[in-house]
Amino acid sequence: SQTIHQWPATLVQPVGSPLSLECTVEGTSNPNLYWYRQAAGRGLQLLFYSVGIGQISSEVPQNLSASRPQDRQFILSSKKLLLSDSGFYLCAWSSDLHYGYTFGSGTRLTVV
Amino acid sequence: AQTVTQSQPEMSVQEAETVTLSCTYDTSESDYYLFWYKQPPSRQMILVIRQEAYKQQNATENRFSVNFQKAAKSFSLKISDSQLGDAAMYFCAYRSVYSGYSTLTFGKGTMLLVSP
Repeated sequence: SQTIHQWPATLVQPVGSPLSLECTVEGTSNPNLYWYRQAAGRGLQLLFYSVGIGQISSEVPQNLSASRPQDRQFILSSKKLLLSDSGFYLCAWSSDLHYGYTFGSGTRLTVV
Repeated sequence: AQTVTQSQPEMSVQEAETVTLSCTYDTSESDYYLFWYKQPPSRQMILVIRQEAYKQQNATENRFSVNFQKAAKSFSLKISDSQLGDAAMYFCAYRSVYSGYSTLTFGKGTMLLVSP
């Protein structure tokens, strides 16, 4: 069966520090991968998606970036965090157009 | 671009009662998928139910059912025999079938409170 792992679960980082959040999927190949952010416990905002290795599409301009170095690995990064980067980050995957996404357990990021 | 609107920021229901959460969407496409996701306090997103637009029959999953009105672009979720474990944030989402990557567009969510 397919599983998705996301870590760390919680992260507190100072302003200006770098960021690396990792997401991996097991049990499937060539998944579509997504990074969402949820601010203030409300709606989800799509940040990045990837349909293949090295293929990254960005939905919103910001100081975050994403990379997909391997088929089932998706990384969210920042060189210098801002206070406004605080939030709950969710990774998700899909491989069948007929179904919704499967989400990871999320990372709560607090920038101080 | 498609938009999804959930007009009820918060709803309350008593155990064993029935509650309906509203969702409307805007699209020019004729075929698409609609979903309801549940986010409990753990914040794990859980797929509750999905509906394919070309199917007229409303989807049902145990105590969860939808009322899909395609012409009105409405997709409400009915929870029957509510349980304390149903307390969560519920998100309505839209997914196009015409795009190769087909991202999900979410509404802002409805917080469901369940009282004993």
